Amino acid sequence: QVQLVESGGGVVQPGRSLRLSCAASGFIFRNNGMFWVRQAPGKGLEWVGVIWYHGSDSDYADSVKGRFTISRDNSNNMVYLQMNSLREEDTAVYYCAKDSATTISGVRYYYMDVWGNGTTVTVS
Amino acid sequence: DIQLTQSPSFLSASVGDRVTITCRASQGINSYLAWYQQKPGKTPKLLIYAASTLQSGVPSRFSGSGSGTEFTLTISGLQPEDFATYYCQQANNYPRFTFGPGTKVDVK
Repeated sequence: QVQLVESGGGVVQPGRSLRLSCAASGFIFRNNGMFWVRQAPGKGLEWVGVIWYHGSDSDYADSVKGRFTISRDNSNNMVYLQMNSLREEDTAVYYCAKDSATTISGVRYYYMDVWGNGTTVTVS
Repeated sequence: DIQLTQSPSFLSASVGDRVTITCRASQGINSYLAWYQQKPGKTPKLLIYAASTLQSGVPSRFSGSGSGTEFTLTISGLQPEDFATYYCQQANNYPRFTFGPGTKVDVK
């Protein structure tokens, strides 16, 4: 079945770096964009960024732009989130999610149809 | 940036109740809206996309409606497993999704 498994979370001091990984299985990974979404303790969901299926382009939330980088390895079905210059406000559960779309009456609708279980990052 | 608001923020209900959650967008987003369910300590689950299309495997008691700036998620006959937090998410600015603040559905 389609599965996403994150890893790499932990406790890190402010200003330090951390790299998260997301292992994908059960679908043709190279055909899909991949997202990172985070959730601070007791808070809602925040879109972090996206990497396109080919890996040559990405986009980021303003809150992480210039500090976080998303990359992918289509040969090994992996996506990564490199987090530099971490701040206490980056403390959250980080989820990777699969980009998906459906065409209805000629209109393309996008959504995140599969999510991983998340990995916890604590900056303190 | 498109902002989403949800009402109510909290909702107390009983099994069997009909529950309605509203999501409003700061500007028109056509039908580019999805709904997710998140149970405590669990990963979000896609319920509805394109404002009203039920994701495969989601029970038919869930339904969505609306377009433009106002949307609703309705649960017709609340079940014990439906107590959770529900988020709307706009896809008008794809791939820059944004989420509503969430509505927690609790046991009355």
